[in-house]
Amino acid sequence: GAGVSQSPSNKVTEKGKDVELRCDPISGHTALYWYRQSLGQGLEFLIYFQGNSAPDKSGLPSDRFSAERTGGSVSTLTIQRTQQEDSAVYLCASSRNGFQETQYFGPGTRLLVL
Amino acid sequence: AQSVTQPDIHITVSEGASLELRCNYSYGATPYLFWYVQSPGQGLQLLLKYFSGDTLVQGIKGFEAEFKRSQSSFNLRKPSVHWSDAAEYFCAVGAGNYQLIWGAGTKLIIKP
Repeated sequence: GAGVSQSPSNKVTEKGKDVELRCDPISGHTALYWYRQSLGQGLEFLIYFQGNSAPDKSGLPSDRFSAERTGGSVSTLTIQRTQQEDSAVYLCASSRNGFQETQYFGPGTRLLVL
Repeated sequence: AQSVTQPDIHITVSEGASLELRCNYSYGATPYLFWYVQSPGQGLQLLLKYFSGDTLVQGIKGFEAEFKRSQSSFNLRKPSVHWSDAAEYFCAVGAGNYQLIWGAGTKLIIKP
């Protein structure tokens, strides 16, 4: 079946602009994660959605970052007033239910802020 | 606080040679342990995971890992590497909630 998809695959933007990154999880997966991967770094947790529960936003680095998940499926990560330090690969993953389950990752969105 | 350390940023191994990638964690209880691989141009893929039971875990692509509680380690091994194993390998720890704590990764380079 289809895996996790993300769009766009690459995004170049100017400092101060807003960007939206999209994630389509595997159908039926209730858990959805957003991570950020900077060059030479491990994955940094950003936000977690589980079913209809309130998301855990504890990993979001600033209030310029927000995310929503509509209908328990597609998720959008929004970065407002982008800064150069936001440049990274943004990864989305989904799992059937929680971290004990295998997380399936999308290919990522590579964001470059000029 | 929980943490994961992968001491080797890069490792170079000849094709056909054995491989061991190191992972050390800091966590008070028995953690959930994972190894993921990120191949060039591909998404992260689970190699194997340990939750409980036999401390030697078999994964995909001929990889195995051994949980050693006394050393707080979960090292990844493969007896004979192939050129297609060139990738970045990440160790991660699930520490009692739904979050995973990730190591910085080890980049594996295969010499022909």
